Amino acid sequence: DVKVTQSSRYLVKRTGEKVFLECVQDMDHENMFWYRQDPGLGLRLIYFSYDVKMKEKGDIPEGYSVSREKKERFSLILESASTNQTSMYLCASSLPGQNYGYTFGSGTRLTVV
Amino acid sequence: GNSVTQMEGPVTLSEEAFLTINCTYTATGYPSLFWYVQYPGEGLQLLLKATKADDKGSNKGFEATYRKETTSFHLEKGSVQVSDSAVYFCALSDSGGYNKLIFGAGTRLAVHP
Repeated sequence: DVKVTQSSRYLVKRTGEKVFLECVQDMDHENMFWYRQDPGLGLRLIYFSYDVKMKEKGDIPEGYSVSREKKERFSLILESASTNQTSMYLCASSLPGQNYGYTFGSGTRLTVV
Repeated sequence: GNSVTQMEGPVTLSEEAFLTINCTYTATGYPSLFWYVQYPGEGLQLLLKATKADDKGSNKGFEATYRKETTSFHLEKGSVQVSDSAVYFCALSDSGGYNKLIFGAGTRLAVHP
């Protein structure tokens, strides 16, 4: 069964910590995405990548960075976690081309205290 | 820019009732359209898709038809079950490249026995 795996389901971090959220896909997909999901705000795109070492900003990149050193792995980095980054983080991957949907991971619920 | 508008929830139905969740979109070009479902505590799963006008996507008893003339992609099911309780997201592919999806705000469905 093909899948997108996010390393943690729940995470609690302190304000100011550097936080790494990991995402791995086994489908050989070119595109990978990071979203955050908040009540009343829906899904908002943080960053995406269409190839190894390539990255593009999404709608809300401030306070985040990403790394894609290998095709199957896409990491989201919170440089200095803040309480307003408490959220559900969703990783997804897809083939290139607009007819392909995304495959999502199960999500990481991050709480910053 | 491109956007997706869904009916606000929650939608509350009795088991075996007919379901409609409205979705309209604004887009340039010819996007593909998708419905995703999110069960509690999980990531999003692709429910169905349509890639061109007049296409009908279907899966698990759910259907949606790509109506270009009304820019709509309404989700329907003839007889809902308690297990259909979830949040449903309508999305379109951004034809600008990289297969970015633009999501609606989501509609929560609650089905009671």
